[in-house]
Amino acid sequence: SQKIEQNSEALNIQEGKTATLTCNYTNYSPAYLQWYRQDPGRGPVFLLLIRENEKEKRKERLKVTFDTTLKQSLFHITASQPADSATYLCALPLRAAGNKLTFGGGTRVLVKP
Amino acid sequence: SAVISQKPSRDICQRGTSLTIQCQVDSQVTMMFWYRQQPGQSLTLIATANQGSEATYESGFVIDKFPISRPNLTFSTLTVSNMSPEDSSIYLCSVERTVYNEQFFGPGTRLTVL
Repeated sequence: SQKIEQNSEALNIQEGKTATLTCNYTNYSPAYLQWYRQDPGRGPVFLLLIRENEKEKRKERLKVTFDTTLKQSLFHITASQPADSATYLCALPLRAAGNKLTFGGGTRVLVKP
Repeated sequence: SAVISQKPSRDICQRGTSLTIQCQVDSQVTMMFWYRQQPGQSLTLIATANQGSEATYESGFVIDKFPISRPNLTFSTLTVSNMSPEDSSIYLCSVERTVYNEQFFGPGTRLTVL
């Protein structure tokens, strides 16, 4: 099954700066990769999906890249705001076939005003 | 998007007892998933609840410990049996939008076992 690594250290950034989070995987190349946001005491909320044939995906102030050679996805929050403070999880298919997901440990982001 | 509710939202239970968690979706879905999120950890898939057939369990999870029901396309239950303090976690159900493969999660059930 897939193994995912996300930076477990919290990311503290100043409001207005760009936060960049990393998601590395170690086994087979997934057909897609997803990013979720999780606030304390709540379930994760889907943000973006990027497919293996896409290099970059944008949604408002969010940008995701997918490098299948490096086995890595980068998640960017531009013009960050205190409301962006949360834990961000990446998720990939649990196995090469099927649609079950496995999640990374998440990276906590704290945006300071 | 799907609206998902879970009951109870939280509970404190004694060792050796069982708790049944309910998950209700506002639309019919083929598959429902149950996850566990232990303190400070990420989500781990427990099982997939299939309507009309037995649940499919992931490695490390067994039916005797986590029996699951799926009586119809909008509802599922997960029971945590013979609980120990190690079962203290947040339990989440989710459903999948097959078009884009993203998952919608319920608010979770926070379980504390004393």
